[in-house]
Amino acid sequence: GAGVSQSPSNKVTEKGKDVELRCDPISGHTALYWYRQSLGQGLEFLIYFQGNSAPDKSGLPSDRFSAERTGGSVSTLTIQRTQQEDSAVYLCASSLSANTNYGYTFGSGTRLTVV
Amino acid sequence: AQSVTQLGSHVSVSEGALVLLRCNYSSSVPPYLFWYVQYPNQGLQLLLKYTSAATLVKGINGFEAEFKKSETSFHLTKPSAHMSDAAEYFCAVTDQAGTALIFGKGTTLSVSS
Repeated sequence: GAGVSQSPSNKVTEKGKDVELRCDPISGHTALYWYRQSLGQGLEFLIYFQGNSAPDKSGLPSDRFSAERTGGSVSTLTIQRTQQEDSAVYLCASSLSANTNYGYTFGSGTRLTVV
Repeated sequence: AQSVTQLGSHVSVSEGALVLLRCNYSSSVPPYLFWYVQYPNQGLQLLLKYTSAATLVKGINGFEAEFKKSETSFHLTKPSAHMSDAAEYFCAVTDQAGTALIFGKGTTLSVSS
């Protein structure tokens, strides 16, 4: 597609429920990133995929967070047993390659609210 | 370890005034540096990037930034602010592996008429 598409744009869930957030990167972009943006905290790196290589999961805050990328394209970020501190905007970005020289193209994000 | 510090979480200027948003970095390798802008309810948009070519980098919307290795700085400037520049601005540096970006906490720019 023309840009990075994220869905849903907004999600309200009850504490303890599982949620899935979807990211559809730009066609042909081999690198895909997930970041979390909390108020006053900037962007926190979560996970990074490059082609068919094993993902870099070093930023995932707990084992309740997981992500997968199917067929080198669409990615899903799953949060199990959501907690109130998970409330944030989750941003997805893609890049032509893992070389950050290219910069990222970001989606508009999913605003997650855990009540 | 790579890190970015943005001085001032909030900057206010008058329309037509100089915009200066400060960014200092720490990097154990030659850095690639970026400025992104985020308008309300939107994702981040690349303003400009430094990738070891010219130290003065020009970006979109009249913004520019100068890489100063001696000061470990990459401050963002615009000679004359416009109301439409009101947004949040993020400075970022590549991580040590060169595969992900590390962002600062952001600076919110307000522009008054």
